[in-house]
Amino acid sequence: KAGVTQTPRYLIKTRGQQVTLSCSPISGHRSVSWYQQTPGQGLQFLFEYFSETQRNKGNFPGRFSGRQFSNSRSEMNVSTLELGDSALYLCASQQGLNTEAFFGQGTRLTVV
Amino acid sequence: QKEVEQNSGPLSVPEGAIASLNCTYSDRGSQSFFWYRQYSGKSPELIMFIYSNGDKEDGRFTAQLNKASQYVSLLIRDSQPSDSATYLCAVPRGSGGGADGLTFGKGTHLIIQP
Repeated sequence: KAGVTQTPRYLIKTRGQQVTLSCSPISGHRSVSWYQQTPGQGLQFLFEYFSETQRNKGNFPGRFSGRQFSNSRSEMNVSTLELGDSALYLCASQQGLNTEAFFGQGTRLTVV
Repeated sequence: QKEVEQNSGPLSVPEGAIASLNCTYSDRGSQSFFWYRQYSGKSPELIMFIYSNGDKEDGRFTAQLNKASQYVSLLIRDSQPSDSATYLCAVPRGSGGGADGLTFGKGTHLIIQP
């Protein structure tokens, strides 16, 4: 059974650019959540998608957005990148409520 | 907003001893609890989950849940150097349909000393 796949693994961008990250969940999982992880703030929730609908959003500016496709694959986009957006971005898939979340390998984004 | 608190450590434990990791949560309505292990530079890996009060054992790992005290712990028996990692406690963010994502504590850094 394939796990959660995130692409790309590493990215280097300059300030002001935008970036799109991709996540393919475990087959049969309809919920995809995105998290930002930094040394100072830990794992912070960005947003969650279920059946192509964003159902929850964390406390991040509007520059952070996402979407989910009919095959449950999800993308997140960050526009007008800032140095502080440098982080490990993690995607997790879940089958349903109160079930385990399984993480992808993450995308390491560096903004210079 | 749900909160999860963990002591950041580092928690240093000699090899072969029991490592005890603790977590408190703010929402009395939380029904499930997850422990993840994260090695440096890697993504979190689920090691235990618990729904009911009491203990749940899986190999060298035991999760303990006390809903009255809003407290969940993870015990690692016969600690090995390979257990050195950051351990993250998490609870579901919502209670509606679907999955809602998780709220994580900031993690406890565990060091097993050979």
